[in-house]
Amino acid sequence: DAGVIQSPRHEVTEMGQEVTLRCKPISGHNSLFWYRQTMMRGLELLIYFNNNVPIDDSGMPEDRFSAKMPNASFSTLKIQPSEPRDSAVYFCASRVRQGGGYTFGSGTRLTVV
Amino acid sequence: RKEVEQDPGPFNVPEGATVAFNCTYSNSASQSFFWYRQDCRKEPKLLMSVYSSGNEDGRFTAQLNRASQYISLLIRDSKLSDSATYLCVVNKNSGGYQKVTFGTGTKLQVIP
Repeated sequence: DAGVIQSPRHEVTEMGQEVTLRCKPISGHNSLFWYRQTMMRGLELLIYFNNNVPIDDSGMPEDRFSAKMPNASFSTLKIQPSEPRDSAVYFCASRVRQGGGYTFGSGTRLTVV
Repeated sequence: RKEVEQDPGPFNVPEGATVAFNCTYSNSASQSFFWYRQDCRKEPKLLMSVYSSGNEDGRFTAQLNRASQYISLLIRDSKLSDSATYLCVVNKNSGGYQKVTFGTGTKLQVIP
């Protein structure tokens, strides 16, 4: 099992540029989550999908953030335009069933300069 | 009050010591609970689930106190490799789906 796969591992971009983060969940897991982690705020849930449908996007900071899950094996988180305050580690996680534990990807460390 | 609260630490303990962390939650309807471990610059990893009757996995014991709304993690015979941040996780039903909330973590440093 390859686990949850995220790309890129690191991203450095200039303010105002578009950033796209990618995630491949574990095969058979029907829930996918995007989290952001910073020292100040800890782990924050941005959005989660169940069976490819967005269920709760209340954590998405603002309209600059969008997420899609076109099929069961792929999701993207897009930031357009990016700002320095978006600098954080973005984790994707998947879960096989409600009530179960998550498996996290290795994260994407985003730096916006 | 935060939904899930943890003492950020750090807890500095000598090798071989026993250490315990608590995590309090505010919603009495919370249904399932977990402890995760996160090493520096790594992703969180599931350490163990927390069952109502309490559960043990080697040197680790997790307990749930629903009356006082907290969960605990006890680590016996601490090893240097136990140094990490320990995150508690609380699940509760919300609109037919489960809402998951992570604590901000308790940092443990085991000292030689």
